[in-house]
Amino acid sequence: EVQLLESGGGLGQPGGSLRLSCAASGFTFSYYAMSWVRQAPGKGLEWVSGISSSGGSTNYADSVKGRFTISRDNSKNTLYLQMNSLRAEDTAVYYCGKAGSSWFVDYFDYWGQGTQVTVSS
Amino acid sequence: EIVLTQSPGTLSLSPGERATLSCRASQSVTSTYLAWYQQKPGQAPRLLIYGASSRATGIPDRFSGSGSGTDFTLTISRLEPEDFAVYYCQQYGSSPGTFGQGTKVEIK
Repeated sequence: EVQLLESGGGLGQPGGSLRLSCAASGFTFSYYAMSWVRQAPGKGLEWVSGISSSGGSTNYADSVKGRFTISRDNSKNTLYLQMNSLRAEDTAVYYCGKAGSSWFVDYFDYWGQGTQVTVSS
Repeated sequence: EIVLTQSPGTLSLSPGERATLSCRASQSVTSTYLAWYQQKPGQAPRLLIYGASSRATGIPDRFSGSGSGTDFTLTISRLEPEDFAVYYCQQYGSSPGTFGQGTKVEIK
């Protein structure tokens, strides 16, 4: 059974940092691209960042480019999102999503349950 | 980036009725790389359809997808009580992949 378990969310200060993790199990993690998708309170889904299966290619939404860094450790079956220079508008539930292939521009066939990030002083 | 516009914003229907949801793209979606997701309150999205018309694993056949180019449709043939939720389309033919704003299917 595929499982994705996010952690690391919480309260962050404006201008501060948080690091999210997503522990994967039930599939060969190194074969598939992964992404982070967020959902602000009462809003729709917004793709944030993606990483290829090998980790060699990454991409970011313009709204987070230069502030967030996605990475993965295939030996630990874990995806990360380093979030720096946090802003109030980064407040959202952050989901990790498993892509249907090795490339991150893809549909997401499995999702984690999400971790809440709140940016406030 | 490709903008996806979903309509209607809210669909009020009764169990047993047919639901037709629309997703229109601002430019042609490459190779029908269009997916649909269902999201219930407090839950993560669930993949329903990929490749515009292929059902994901375990999805009942009352859910069907169609379309190509810029116009796509999700049809729920007969609404079950568990189908009342928000539905999102997503294109993944061009980077960045983008989502529509969602259609809420509510009980009339």
